[in-house]
Amino acid sequence: AQSVTQLGSHVSVSEGALVLLRCNYSSSVPPYLFWYVQYPNQGLQLLLKYTTGATLVKGINGFEAEFKKSETSFHLTKPSAHMSDAAEYFCAVSESAAGNKLTFGGGTRVLVKP
Amino acid sequence: EAQVTQNPRYLITVTGKKLTVTCSQNMNHEYMSWYRQDPGLGLRQIYYSMNVEVTDKGDVPEGYKVSRKEKRNFPLILESPSPNQTSLYFCASSPLAERVSNEQFFGPGTRLTVL
Repeated sequence: AQSVTQLGSHVSVSEGALVLLRCNYSSSVPPYLFWYVQYPNQGLQLLLKYTTGATLVKGINGFEAEFKKSETSFHLTKPSAHMSDAAEYFCAVSESAAGNKLTFGGGTRVLVKP
Repeated sequence: EAQVTQNPRYLITVTGKKLTVTCSQNMNHEYMSWYRQDPGLGLRQIYYSMNVEVTDKGDVPEGYKVSRKEKRNFPLILESPSPNQTSLYFCASSPLAERVSNEQFFGPGTRLTVL
């Protein structure tokens, strides 16, 4: 069975500082990994995804994530936070050979301080 | 515009009064799914459908029903809602043919309150 753990339900960063959101997963088969963002009162929007190939994945809005198989991690980073990055972020895993089911982490709410 | 739509966006109801939340996608996706979002728990899958007339339970199916009579529509039915079904609900769809990523496209959400 697949599962996802996001460390920290709330993260506070200063504008211009590094954003680091942690995600660890468990999966019995090679996983597909996703980061979604949810802005207030909106649905989920895909930030980036890892399927196969290059382990450093670049997404929208300057975010990137690195798949580390040995650490079963897929942490999300952005070098310089912007006020518009305030949102809730969800890490999700899908077992590549098991259909389309997504399993989500509990989410991390990011607050950006001026 | 390619999208997943849900109606209603907001709903307040009372215990036991049957309700239906509609979901429709215009991308000709085979796979559709319903999730509920609760604080600290992320999104949990309620039901999913791999194609017309093919549905199956997700992780939290109790108290819910679904149907898939047409490819584009996947309504969520609460026959007898209870307060513990107060939640934010998302519908999502995905093309099965694109099995390289299993990426899903989400609707805007339906906030349901059961009194």
